[in-house]
Amino acid sequence: DAGVTQSPTHLIKTRGQQVTLRCSPKSGHDTVSWYQQALGQGPQFIFQYYEEEERQRGNFPDRFSGHQFPNYSSELNVNALLLGDSALYLCASTQRAGAKNTEAFFGQGTRLTVV
Amino acid sequence: KNQVEQSPQSLIILEGKNCTLQCNYTVSPFSNLRWYKQDTGRGPVSLTIMTFSENTKSNGRYTATLDADTKQSSLHITASQLSDSASYICVVSAGDSGTYKYIFGTGTRLKVLA
Repeated sequence: DAGVTQSPTHLIKTRGQQVTLRCSPKSGHDTVSWYQQALGQGPQFIFQYYEEEERQRGNFPDRFSGHQFPNYSSELNVNALLLGDSALYLCASTQRAGAKNTEAFFGQGTRLTVV
Repeated sequence: KNQVEQSPQSLIILEGKNCTLQCNYTVSPFSNLRWYKQDTGRGPVSLTIMTFSENTKSNGRYTATLDADTKQSSLHITASQLSDSASYICVVSAGDSGTYKYIFGTGTRLKVLA
């Protein structure tokens, strides 16, 4: 049973460019959440997708956008990259219709470096 | 504002020693609290979950406690091993009726020395 998979694992982009990160949730999960984790910090919530729609959003600018596909996989897009966007981007999957105490499973993350 | 604060920020102990990590939260409505272990550059992995009615839960050498009245939790690690070196993140789930959000603490970085 595959867990949460993210691609790519590492990425280097130039300031001003655009980037797309991908996530496949754990089998049986239908909800995907994205987090940004700066070095030495805890993960910060970006947004959550369920039924192909953005359901919740954290305090991130519109440069951060996403998409969820019918197979529950998800993409995170960041436009006009800034140096401050350099971070580990984590994807977490949960089962929306599950019990109240459903566990979030995390992927290994994508390390984005903006130069 | 929903917040999760952890202390200490970092900790260095010798192999075989015990340690306790703290987590204070102001989250409403509270659903559950989890402790995650995050190795450098990897995704967090759940160690234990605490619900409102639970006071103590153990997972091997890890024991978590929860005081819902004071909104505090602790993670006690017994007989530490080199492999315990990681960041430990307290995550509180907020919400009800099927809409949940995870609020992360900034973590405690633990270093176990031989």
